[in-house]
Amino acid sequence: NAGVTQTPKFQVLKTGQSMTLQCAQDMNHEYMSWYRQDPGMGLRLIHYSVGAGITDQGEVPNGYNVSRSTTEDFPLRLLSAAPSQTSVYFCASRTSLAGTEQFFGPGTRLTVL
Amino acid sequence: GQQLNQSPQSMFIQEGEDVSMNCTSSSIFNTWLWYKQDPGEGPVLLIALYKAGELTSNGRLTAQFGITRKDSFLNISASIPSDVGIYFCAGQSNFGNEKLTFGTGTRLTIIP
Repeated sequence: NAGVTQTPKFQVLKTGQSMTLQCAQDMNHEYMSWYRQDPGMGLRLIHYSVGAGITDQGEVPNGYNVSRSTTEDFPLRLLSAAPSQTSVYFCASRTSLAGTEQFFGPGTRLTVL
Repeated sequence: GQQLNQSPQSMFIQEGEDVSMNCTSSSIFNTWLWYKQDPGEGPVLLIALYKAGELTSNGRLTAQFGITRKDSFLNISASIPSDVGIYFCAGQSNFGNEKLTFGTGTRLTIIP
């Protein structure tokens, strides 16, 4: 199993550009989520999904959209990037909402100029 | 919302020393988790704790679920160079909200 994969590894955007961060998992996990990691802030939940077709907002959802058309994929979209969205983004998955062992992807380092 | 205070924020130790770090919460958790993040990688689960008072080991790592259910501790014995990284605690409640709340991390550096 590849586990949780994320692409790209690094990305530089200009303010106002849009892009999609890709995330996929091959463990048949129902629950997937996106976090951002900023210095001194720990990991903050952006959006999550408890299954295909179901998504919900986390702690810091503004400026981000998600969709979950399949169990495997959970892309994160930035419609109009802002410098405040410069961060490291992690996708994660676990068996279900009640599950505890959460697996993280390798991260995407995003810089918005 | 729930907040986790993790301390210390950073530690500088010599190889072979023991390490202790802790997390405290303003509210009760039913599960405590400890993760380690290597540079440029995502966090990896080290230990999961499910019961108040529980003491669980994983090699040189030992973690405890506090009796009050509002704190947890992680100890690393006889540190080695590969222990370098950022350690995160995370709490999970089961009161209709199973989202994980993460601490701000403890950065461990080993001085040669």
